[in-house]
Amino acid sequence: GESVGLHLPTLSVQEGDNSIINCAYSNSASDYFIWYKQESGKGPQFIIDIRSNMDKRQGQRVTVLLNKTVKHLSLQIAATQPGDSAVYFCAERDDGQAGTALIFGKGTTLSVSS
Amino acid sequence: ETGVTQSPTHLIKTRGQQVTLRCSSQSGHNTVSWYQQALGQGPQFIFQYYREEENGRGNFPPRFSGLQFPNYSSELNVNALELDDSALYLCASSLAAVSTDTQYFGPGTRLTVL
Repeated sequence: GESVGLHLPTLSVQEGDNSIINCAYSNSASDYFIWYKQESGKGPQFIIDIRSNMDKRQGQRVTVLLNKTVKHLSLQIAATQPGDSAVYFCAERDDGQAGTALIFGKGTTLSVSS
Repeated sequence: ETGVTQSPTHLIKTRGQQVTLRCSSQSGHNTVSWYQQALGQGPQFIFQYYREEENGRGNFPPRFSGLQFPNYSSELNVNALELDDSALYLCASSLAAVSTDTQYFGPGTRLTVL
């Protein structure tokens, strides 16, 4: 089946730096992508999403970029703060599945030091 | 507005037993999806319920079953528990079973099978 993966399992940054978390997906037919943040002991928290007809979408301190040519997704976090420390997952909608199942990658652990 | 809630928070069972996990969806949401998250992995889709009917199923055996009630709350039942069923079980609710509807996750139930 199709899967969504992340390039790096861990990323360490200094407070105030910009962070970039990458994700590669394999299903070229995927039309919807989401980034979630999961803190220890909690469920995934929605950050931002993007549809396949867009290349870029911005939120508060976050930007998602989608490159369909190379099937790559990235999450940029501006002015990273200690509270941003968490595991970040990208997910894609499984268009081969009835309903609206999401396929998640393994996640990138972001550590922010002050 | 009440978010997604799950109960219990933690549960310990032994092999062969049966377990029922519960989820209350966010107010106004009629779709509930269940995911299994093994340690260090991303969530894996189990199944989804939309207006009390199963609306898609992942690659999980029939001993994983569910229900959705008229108030859109949901149960996940697992029979004949195996050691590999130890995981965090997450439910997510969405406004409707539409591909781009955001799925909001609850805090999860940590199941340990001994």
